[in-house]
Amino acid sequence: DADVTQTPRNRITKTGKRIMLECSQTKGHDRMYWYRQDPGLGLRLIYYSFDVKDINKGEISDGYSVSRQAQAKFSLSLESAIPNQTALYFCATRGPRNTEAFFGQGTRLTVV
Amino acid sequence: GENVEQHPSTLSVQEGDSAVIKCTYSDSASNYFPWYKQELGKRPQLIIDIRSNVGEKKDQRIAVTLNKTAKHFSLHITETQPEDSAVYFCAATYSGGGADGLTFGKGTHLIIQP
Repeated sequence: DADVTQTPRNRITKTGKRIMLECSQTKGHDRMYWYRQDPGLGLRLIYYSFDVKDINKGEISDGYSVSRQAQAKFSLSLESAIPNQTALYFCATRGPRNTEAFFGQGTRLTVV
Repeated sequence: GENVEQHPSTLSVQEGDSAVIKCTYSDSASNYFPWYKQELGKRPQLIIDIRSNVGEKKDQRIAVTLNKTAKHFSLHITETQPEDSAVYFCAATYSGGGADGLTFGKGTHLIIQP
């Protein structure tokens, strides 16, 4: 089945370290998204991309950067991780406008 | 940008009863309203969606209603079952002018009491 795959699934890192979360998809979708989930705060949009040359900031982009290496790959980086970036991170993809978003399994990141 | 408010944050109902979750949105240009279910430890998955040219949509025990004038939409689950226990998220999206981010509500934890 076509899917959205995130690596790693779990990661513990130290304050100040650089870390990259990776997302790949086999759905053939152009649109890719990174969300952050915190208890009681729902899913908040960090960045989204329509294609390799199109990157857009979301609601909470400060402290994060992204790279769209190919249509199928969208990476999220924390240049200098801090404890309040501890959260569950989801990658998602969408096809044409007004269609369903498909989520990856999530990456649980802990910054100590 | 879009802002989505969702209520209640927690909802406990007896098995077999109905559950209603309500959301409001701020951007009158929003035109797509999906609902996602997230079971414990799993990824969110779409359960139903509605577009702005439709007022109501039903799929077996779940239904969604949309009031564009009031900028309000609701999820209705009838004859609730234990497997309905999960966190439910509403979302709104404006697909135009280059913008296309799904904005989510903060979620409702639905608890089905036996």
